[in-house]
Amino acid sequence: EAQVTQNPRYLITVTGKKLTVTCSQNMNHEYMSWYRQDPGLGLRQIYYSMNVEVTDKGDVPEGYKVSRKEKRNFPLILESPSPNQTSLYFCASSPPGRDQPQHFGDGTRLSIL
Amino acid sequence: AQKITQTQPGMFVQEKEAVTLDCTYDTSDQSYGLFWYKQPSSGEMIFLIYQGSYDEQNATEGRYSLNFQKARKSANLVISASQLGDSAMYFCAMTHSGGYNKLIFGAGTRLAVHP
Repeated sequence: EAQVTQNPRYLITVTGKKLTVTCSQNMNHEYMSWYRQDPGLGLRQIYYSMNVEVTDKGDVPEGYKVSRKEKRNFPLILESPSPNQTSLYFCASSPPGRDQPQHFGDGTRLSIL
Repeated sequence: AQKITQTQPGMFVQEKEAVTLDCTYDTSDQSYGLFWYKQPSSGEMIFLIYQGSYDEQNATEGRYSLNFQKARKSANLVISASQLGDSAMYFCAMTHSGGYNKLIFGAGTRLAVHP
């Protein structure tokens, strides 16, 4: 089954404790992205990647890191999480092309205390 | 700057009736794409429909259609014959001028379908 898999689905942690949210897709898509969803703001792009070793900042990159060492994986790293990073996070992938919809994972709900 | 505006935070509709969810956008790009996604209470994002800026016909996918008015920069989603399962959050999004895999989302509209 074609899918984007995120882990964990839920995480409660404390300020400053490094964490990684994994994302893996099995559709051989070139493009991958991370978004955060906050009430009243919709989804905002954090980082995106156009292929292996090619990443760039989205609209809200501060406090986050990513890497793309393999085509299928695109982990999101919070090196020193803070409470303002409490949010619902989505990973997405798509083939190249303006008309290609992004396929989203099921989301990761992070709470930073 | 590019922007998507969804002016209806919440809507309700009677089952079997049609409903229109509004979306206006702002861009100086000539070539762009517009998407609608559905987010049910379970949280996943489900792609519904796509409209390209150069497409001459309005997009349709089953009970979903997109009322695309390019001059007015609007891309409203029309759901015909609403079902209880249509109750969800709906997001309008457009491709970012920085790259087709970058999407800009609106704040969303929560639709409630009443029996």
